[in-house]
Amino acid sequence: GQNIDQPTEMTATEGAIVQINCTYQTSGFNGLFWYQQHAGEAPTFLSYNVLDGLEEKGRFSSFLSRSKGYSYLLLKELQMKDSASYLCAVMDSNYQLIWGAGTKLIIKP
Amino acid sequence: GAVVSQHPSWVICKSGTSVKIECRSLDFQATTMFWYRQFPKQSLMLMATSNEGSKATYEQGVEKDKFLINHASLTLSTLTVTSAHPEDSSFYICSARDQGLDTGELFFGEGSRLTVL
Repeated sequence: GQNIDQPTEMTATEGAIVQINCTYQTSGFNGLFWYQQHAGEAPTFLSYNVLDGLEEKGRFSSFLSRSKGYSYLLLKELQMKDSASYLCAVMDSNYQLIWGAGTKLIIKP
Repeated sequence: GAVVSQHPSWVICKSGTSVKIECRSLDFQATTMFWYRQFPKQSLMLMATSNEGSKATYEQGVEKDKFLINHASLTLSTLTVTSAHPEDSSFYICSARDQGLDTGELFFGEGSRLTVL
């Protein structure tokens, strides 16, 4: 079966760095996405990785290792507004998105 | 980036009535749109894939006669919750993929929160 695993909840301090991991087992691979979702709102796109390596975009970076079925989202200089759920999703060989359950990130002052 | 607009954002209805939610791609054409449901503290659950000009594809366990999907044009898909009951109260989100982009990125509507009394 297809499976996406990510931690349920993480807590970090304002100004610090946090890494959210995602491991996956899917039927084929056509890219991995990270989305941010604030409570009561729709998800917003953060990043897309299809090749191995690190993609940096401002305070957010995303890493992919296809051989290990592993990705992480790195958030630097955490701000209170970064408190949200972070969803990992993998596009399989049929171009269908398989969603993880999301990681709720709590930022403390 | 591409914009997907969803309407209404909030809707409260009585049990037994029907509710229609619209999903529009504003600046791109979408032959395929996706409808999700999200219960509190849970991830997105794909309900169905809406295909322009043809029947929607429903995920296992989703009643097609209860959740009617119409994708009559390249920019509009509608989800109608028929004979709504309190257990249908949820956050419904649509998304679409811009065929012109290579990334396959999904663009989401704002979501519609349905409360059935």
